[in-house]
Amino acid sequence: NFMLTQPHSVSESPGKTVTISCTRSSGSIASNYVQWYQQRPGSAPTTVIYEDNQRPSGVPDRFSGSIDSSSNSASLTISGLKTEDEADYYCQSYDSSNQDVFGGGTKLTVL
Amino acid sequence: QVQLQESGPELVKPSETLSLTCTVSGGSISSYYWSWIRQPPGKGLDWIGYISYSGSTNYNPSLKSRVTMSVDTSKNQFSLKLNSVTAADTAVYYCARRTCGGVCYLDYWGQGTLVTVSS
Repeated sequence: NFMLTQPHSVSESPGKTVTISCTRSSGSIASNYVQWYQQRPGSAPTTVIYEDNQRPSGVPDRFSGSIDSSSNSASLTISGLKTEDEADYYCQSYDSSNQDVFGGGTKLTVL
Repeated sequence: QVQLQESGPELVKPSETLSLTCTVSGGSISSYYWSWIRQPPGKGLDWIGYISYSGSTNYNPSLKSRVTMSVDTSKNQFSLKLNSVTAADTAVYYCARRTCGGVCYLDYWGQGTLVTVSS
């Protein structure tokens, strides 16, 4: 199996752009789609990106996803940061047995 | 709008069995996979496994020996049993719908329920 590694925390100012990385330990990042979940304090996670770069309806276009085969990583980019974006973000993919794998999560602080 | 609600005991004694049920409303349990995920206090998400509406399962290998999932389509519910629990199983337990098209992802989540393992 593989692991997904995320930075423990990132911080940025309102209005700026932040990128959160998710690095796959083995196998190609392009082998299986990557999803991103937002979890605000005290709440359940919600999907902000699926299938590497697709946004569910209702998710603002300030959120975007991408993958980079050269670094074997996926990225979540949030532009025009708002205080309401402050949350934990988790990447998720799945292995060849269709078992889900979560990254360790990144705490985003908007200060 | 699909809604999921976890229910079950909030306190379980060590060595006993944790039992939770997830009730799905606003949509049918058929044609989807249904997942359980847990989150220990202050930690990240931990995938437990999922069950299809027809009853096929896929469990996290690290928990497989202790986990049983079941589905009751007549009640629009699915359930989790985790036996021989220890303090390490203390967590918020979430149920979620796993939607599969070209990709599978968790599109609807329950609010979560905190289960504490303690004597």
